[in-house]
Amino acid sequence: AQSVSQHNHHVILSEAASLELGCNYSYGGTVNLFWYVQYPGQHLQLLLKYFSGDPLVKGIKGFEAEFIKSKFSFNLRKPSVQWSDTAEYFCAAQPGNEKLTFGTGTRLTIIP
Amino acid sequence: GAVVSQHPSRVICKSGTSVKIECRSLDFQATTMFWYRQFPKQSLMLMATSNEGSKATYEQGVEKDKFLINHASLTLSTLTVTSAHPEDSSFYICSAITGRVTEAFFGQGTRLTVV
Repeated sequence: AQSVSQHNHHVILSEAASLELGCNYSYGGTVNLFWYVQYPGQHLQLLLKYFSGDPLVKGIKGFEAEFIKSKFSFNLRKPSVQWSDTAEYFCAAQPGNEKLTFGTGTRLTIIP
Repeated sequence: GAVVSQHPSRVICKSGTSVKIECRSLDFQATTMFWYRQFPKQSLMLMATSNEGSKATYEQGVEKDKFLINHASLTLSTLTVTSAHPEDSSFYICSAITGRVTEAFFGQGTRLTVV
């Protein structure tokens, strides 16, 4: 079955540390990829998205993600995290014009 | 970005009663709305897709008679959990898209607790 995998369930980092959250998908064809963030008590917000073109995508709040087709990956990165980045992060994939499929999410806790 | 408002944010109901959750697109016309369910420490699972003016399309395993979805206008979709039971307790989230734009905007979610 088509799926999206996020292998890091809970990541704990100190402020200023670098972040990389893994995301792998299982679709073989064209796919749109997304990273969403959910801050405590708030709704899901789009961080960044990849449809085509440059595989290195820059999003809001200093986040970026790299699409590596050969690895079926779309990892999220940030060079220096802040306490305010504490949130739940969801990777999602959309093959063609089909429905969004979400990963299980990664809880990120930043220690001041 | 576009705003999707979901109401209520929390609801507690007695077993056997029905609960209605509203999802509104505040500043755009939502041609399609999606309803998700999220269990603790799990992913968002798509329950159904609704297009304005037509019947919702339910995902496999979702009981359409239990989870009634109405998308009567381009700005409002409702999810009614009928004859709720404790196992229906969950976090329900709606999202909306407009036209051919593939970015979905999400509501803040509704935590339903059935006692």
